[in-house]
Amino acid sequence: AQSVTQPDIHITVSEGASLELRCNYSYGATPYLFWYVQSPGQGLQLLLKYFSGDTLVQGIKGFEAEFKRSQSSFNLRKPSVHWSDAAEYFCAVGSNAGNNRKLIWGLGTSLAVNP
Amino acid sequence: DAGVIQSPRHEVTEMGQEVTLRCKPISGHNSLFWYRQTMMRGLELLIYFNNNVPIDDSGMPEDRFSAKMPNASFSTLKIQPSEPRDSAVYFCASSSGTGTAGELFFGEGSRLTVL
Repeated sequence: AQSVTQPDIHITVSEGASLELRCNYSYGATPYLFWYVQSPGQGLQLLLKYFSGDTLVQGIKGFEAEFKRSQSSFNLRKPSVHWSDAAEYFCAVGSNAGNNRKLIWGLGTSLAVNP
Repeated sequence: DAGVIQSPRHEVTEMGQEVTLRCKPISGHNSLFWYRQTMMRGLELLIYFNNNVPIDDSGMPEDRFSAKMPNASFSTLKIQPSEPRDSAVYFCASSSGTGTAGELFFGEGSRLTVL
């Protein structure tokens, strides 16, 4: 079955600390992988995506993610967290097969940042 | 660009009433998606359109839900009759291109409360 698992429901880090949010997926086809961020009361915004090539991808706001096929993972990282990074983070997987535009979403990880 | 515009932002209604949510996608985008977000089930795709044509409505919960896209710049999601379990935030998103490669641009959502 196709699925995305974000093992951590909630994470709290101190401002300036490093961050890693975990994402594991189960997907039959070659996956396209995404991280989206949702600030309170807002819609989701794309942080970064992986289709092919270099397994370390850079995104907006200083985020990066690494695709590890052997571990079926696509973890999101940031070296130094800012208070404004407090938000909900969603991992998603999809494919470019045919005209299929459905993404499979994780349940999200809520990030709190302590001053 | 104004982004994806949804209305109303908040709706409080009583059980049994008809609810209509509206969405204006980003000009030039050829795909439109309706999502529902709840704490229990996370982000669920209800239906998506390509070039105004419904492609996959398998996520629509039941016959009480219907969606239309009469033209490239407008879509509605209707719930009739509404029930308390429909309370959620409903997001509209639009995208260009094919497959899942295209970035989804989300509106700010319509928060529905059914009493």
